[in-house]
Amino acid sequence: QSALTQPASVSGSPGQSITISCTGTSNDVGGYNYVSWYQQHPGKVPKLMIYAVSNRPSGVSNRFSGSKSGNTASLTISGLQAEDEADYYCSSYTSTTSRVFGGGTKLTVL
Amino acid sequence: QVQLVQSGAEVKKPGASVKVSCKASGYTFTDYNMHWVRQAPGQGLEWMGWISPNSGETNYAQKFQGWVTMTTDTSISTAYMELSRLKSDDAAVYYCTRGEVGAHFDHWGQGALVTVSS
Repeated sequence: QSALTQPASVSGSPGQSITISCTGTSNDVGGYNYVSWYQQHPGKVPKLMIYAVSNRPSGVSNRFSGSKSGNTASLTISGLQAEDEADYYCSSYTSTTSRVFGGGTKLTVL
Repeated sequence: QVQLVQSGAEVKKPGASVKVSCKASGYTFTDYNMHWVRQAPGQGLEWMGWISPNSGETNYAQKFQGWVTMTTDTSISTAYMELSRLKSDDAAVYYCTRGEVGAHFDHWGQGALVTVSS
């Protein structure tokens, strides 16, 4: 099972919006509405930000949103804030009842 | 509240095995699969597999088949991950994480650092 494809880095200025893509195949991202996104600050534990493509857990800011089209899922962060600077990982359910992560994207807030 | 508390850091020699524990509290242990994820220094998250505490069923990532063993002790709500024949590139932080029905991971352990060095 190959890792999902994410851009290595994205950047944006405070107040702007950015989008991180996550590309898989019909055996994972495209085949199921089970894509989730995680935020990880340096030295910290990953935190669930989005589940089932577009759902936010309680307590997660509504500046974070998710979507999917075909084999590509996306995480959008609007109104960028300095605290959003972190690594972001997507994850998907797969056809073998496994899970797979993306390679991760480093978000820099300029 | 849900908590996953993992065992402490380990230092192992190449070729040895390591067993990491993950004690769950705040929910019914047998209601959720437990997944294991590792992260090598400066690298991304890597899914290793899951175990059902209810049935004992396991599903390991192909890379780890024959090499990792996941078990649980439901009497003490604890999951274990044992990795054998350690190599230097197995040095990583190993996380346990609760698998939700929607295939996401809603709660994570604090991580257990495994160092492999001769």
